[in-house]
Amino acid sequence: DGGITQSPKYLFRKEGQNVTLSCEQNLNHDAMYWYRQDPGQGLRLIYYSQIVNDFQKGDIAEGYSVSREKKESFPLTVTSAQKNPTAFYLCASSIASGGYNEQFFGPGTRLTVL
Amino acid sequence: KNQVEQSPQSLIILEGKNCTLQCNYTVSPFSNLRWYKQDTGRGPVSLTIMTFSENTKSNGRYTATLDADTKQSSLHITASQLSDSASYICVVTPGREYNFNKFYFGSGTKLNVKP
Repeated sequence: DGGITQSPKYLFRKEGQNVTLSCEQNLNHDAMYWYRQDPGQGLRLIYYSQIVNDFQKGDIAEGYSVSREKKESFPLTVTSAQKNPTAFYLCASSIASGGYNEQFFGPGTRLTVL
Repeated sequence: KNQVEQSPQSLIILEGKNCTLQCNYTVSPFSNLRWYKQDTGRGPVSLTIMTFSENTKSNGRYTATLDADTKQSSLHITASQLSDSASYICVVTPGREYNFNKFYFGSGTKLNVKP
């Protein structure tokens, strides 16, 4: 059963804590992405990776970090430097980078800062 | 400034009725436009993709149109069903001259189909 998974579905964080959101895909896709979704706004790109051991900052990378040690995995760490982290986080993958390639999205993680 | 604007923000229709969602963009040069459906609390799922040369594309009860000259697209839903209740997101990819991984997302239209 191929697909892209994210965990956990819901995550609660105290202020000052770092948290890591998991994203795994078994689609054999090279490219992976992290987006943030806030009410009334379009998705905003946090980080993307075109290939293993490589990643690039998106439009709103401040306060976030990623790694891409394996093709299947692209975890996102929300650090205490992120001033307003409460949001819905979406991970996506595509067979290769480039706008014509369909992005497949995971089910999302809703992060709430208490 | 490259932007994607969707209208209306929200829409309520009765089951069985048709509706049309609008997407206007200023992204230039243009590569393609994709419509996604996003159920509440879930990730978006692609419905259609349209390139510069395509005017109309259908996917079941969903029909997308594109006018690249006026930079407008629409998504028409025929004979709506309760399961069509979702947000519909328009995404525009710029041409090759730009960052190959740059996607411009609209803020979506939230559709509520009532019985």
